[in-house]
Amino acid sequence: AQKITQTQPGMFVQEKEAVTLDCTYDTSDQSYGLFWYKQPSSGEMIFLIYQGSYDEQNATEGRYSLNFQKARKSANLVISASQLGDSAMYFCAMREGNYGGSQGNLIFGKGTKLSVKP
Amino acid sequence: DSGVTQTPKHLITATGQRVTLRCSPRSGDLSVYWYQQSLDQGLQFLIQYYNGEERAKGNILERFSAQQFPDLHSELNLSSLELGDSALYFCASSGRMFQDTIYFGEGSWLTVV
Repeated sequence: AQKITQTQPGMFVQEKEAVTLDCTYDTSDQSYGLFWYKQPSSGEMIFLIYQGSYDEQNATEGRYSLNFQKARKSANLVISASQLGDSAMYFCAMREGNYGGSQGNLIFGKGTKLSVKP
Repeated sequence: DSGVTQTPKHLITATGQRVTLRCSPRSGDLSVYWYQQSLDQGLQFLIQYYNGEERAKGNILERFSAQQFPDLHSELNLSSLELGDSALYFCASSGRMFQDTIYFGEGSWLTVV
């Protein structure tokens, strides 16, 4: 069964420093996608970054980058130059394979609560 | 703004009642997903629709049902509500390509009292 594991329930980082949030996954599919979402205290789920299983380059989006190590089945999120507004829950998620033209749903990890200290 | 619209944003209702949550997907997105987020269960996939047809079912209770209409908006119906149904309910949508992002609405906070 597919599974996402986030082993860090909570983390602290100093403002302007970089931080890595861990995510490991388990799947027998060859084709899959990995997502990171941010959920601030207000509740909305904000898409941050995507990595496809066949992508050779690590994904980057502004201050976010994804450290994708396929053999280790890990997809860690790196946030550079942390800001106070980065304080939130961060969820790693994996998308199941393609089903007849419609795309599979996401399976989420339990999340990591990041707190940025001034 | 993700482009996914959910209403209502907040809802308080009594046990045993029925509520309907509504979702309008991003323009052009054919897939709609419903998720439930509670403190003890985390984020749980409920159900997926693609172009009006049910495509996948997750941990959706029999008291819950959903549908996607011809204009692609979707509704999640929750009936015989229990205290444990109190949660944040998300709708999300995506395009037809595997690498398309799944965008979430702001969620509907349901409190059952």
